[in-house]
Amino acid sequence: DIQMTQSPSSLSASVGDRVTITCRASQSIAGYLNWYQHKPGTAPKLLIYGASNLQSGVPSRFSGSGSGTDFTLTIGSLQPEDFATYFCQQTDTTPFTFGGGTKVEIK
Amino acid sequence: QVQLVQSGGGVVQPGRSLRLSCAAPEFTFRSYDMHWVRQAPGKGLEWVALISFDGSNQNYADSVKGRFTISRDNSKNTLYLLMNSLRAEDTAVYYCARQYLTMIVVVPHFDYWGQGTLVTVSS
Repeated sequence: DIQMTQSPSSLSASVGDRVTITCRASQSIAGYLNWYQHKPGTAPKLLIYGASNLQSGVPSRFSGSGSGTDFTLTIGSLQPEDFATYFCQQTDTTPFTFGGGTKVEIK
Repeated sequence: QVQLVQSGGGVVQPGRSLRLSCAAPEFTFRSYDMHWVRQAPGKGLEWVALISFDGSNQNYADSVKGRFTISRDNSKNTLYLLMNSLRAEDTAVYYCARQYLTMIVVVPHFDYWGQGTLVTVSS
């Protein structure tokens, strides 16, 4: 199975900060990488698919980059509604594994 | 807005069975591969199972293989997860999700999710 490792596992940031989350795959997955936002009690929300493609309706402050084994999710200017947990997911090969998550908390 | 409506969760004893349902009334259900994903308390997301659009192929996480069965009824626009021989470690919120592919970026991704249903395995 492909292992997905996210870092950091948590971070504290202030509104307006630029936030970067990284995700590393245990083997090359080309661009088969997606990012989701998850808030307690709600369904996960797709942010980025194919490493860098912004899902319709998602604010442009979210962006993704990377290919192969190393990927990044960036929030350009953190907003109050962005405090949540973020997961990467590879869909190169089943099982479609998720990273362990990065919890973004208010500083 | 696509709505996936889940039902069937609850409390069940170890070793017993439970079936989850996921109804998808608002899109061409039969055109899409579908998945189940779960989140145990305090843990991250875990992919559980996949079924192809026509039901001809299924794939499972090792943790549930041989115990869980994913199926679908395209005439009823409904996805199912039959969970047998349940264990305490199967306790989680279970989500159904639709797999989507764009014509330009052919990378599977989960664009719509159910609201989640809690399964608690406890004696």
